[in-house]
Amino acid sequence: DVKVTQSSRYLVKRTGEKVFLECVQDMDHENMFWYRQDPGLGLRLIYFSYDVKMKEKGDIPEGYSVSREKKERFSLILESASTNQTSMYLCASSLHGSGANVLTFGAGSRLTVL
Amino acid sequence: AQKITQTQPGMFVQEKEAVTLDCTYDTSDPSYGLFWYKQPSSGEMIFLIYQGSYDQQNATEGRYSLNFQKARKSANLVISASQLGDSAMYFCAMREIQGAQKLVFGQGTRLTINP
Repeated sequence: DVKVTQSSRYLVKRTGEKVFLECVQDMDHENMFWYRQDPGLGLRLIYFSYDVKMKEKGDIPEGYSVSREKKERFSLILESASTNQTSMYLCASSLHGSGANVLTFGAGSRLTVL
Repeated sequence: AQKITQTQPGMFVQEKEAVTLDCTYDTSDPSYGLFWYKQPSSGEMIFLIYQGSYDQQNATEGRYSLNFQKARKSANLVISASQLGDSAMYFCAMREIQGAQKLVFGQGTRLTINP
């Protein structure tokens, strides 16, 4: 069964800590995405990537960075976590090209910053 | 910039009734795709249905259909004969074909099916 796997389902971190959220897909997809989900706001795009070592800012990139060293892996980094980054983080991937390409999502990582 | 609006934060429906979840969008791109996803309490995002802007027919997938009204820029999801398992969050999303491959989501609607 093809999958997008997020390494941690639940994380609790302290303000100022560096946080890594890992995402791996086994579908050979070119595109990978990081969203955060907050009640009443839906899903908002943080960063996305079309290819290895390539990244594009989404709608809310402030306070985040990403890394894509291999095609199957896309990491989200919070350099210095803050309480307003407490959220559900969703990773997704898709094929590149057609507008009809469906995003496949991971199970999500719920991050709490104390 | 592309934008998706879902104006119903929550809906309550009796089992076996049909339900319509509203979605309006805004884009200047003549070529785009519209998606609906379901998110049960487990948190996974499940793709339901897709409609392309140039598709002549409204999309259907089993009990799901998309009521696409291009001139009104609306893409409502219709679920026929609702079931208890349909209780979930539902998200409408759009991708512009010309620009980046990103998907922009609406705020979501929480649907509750009552027995």
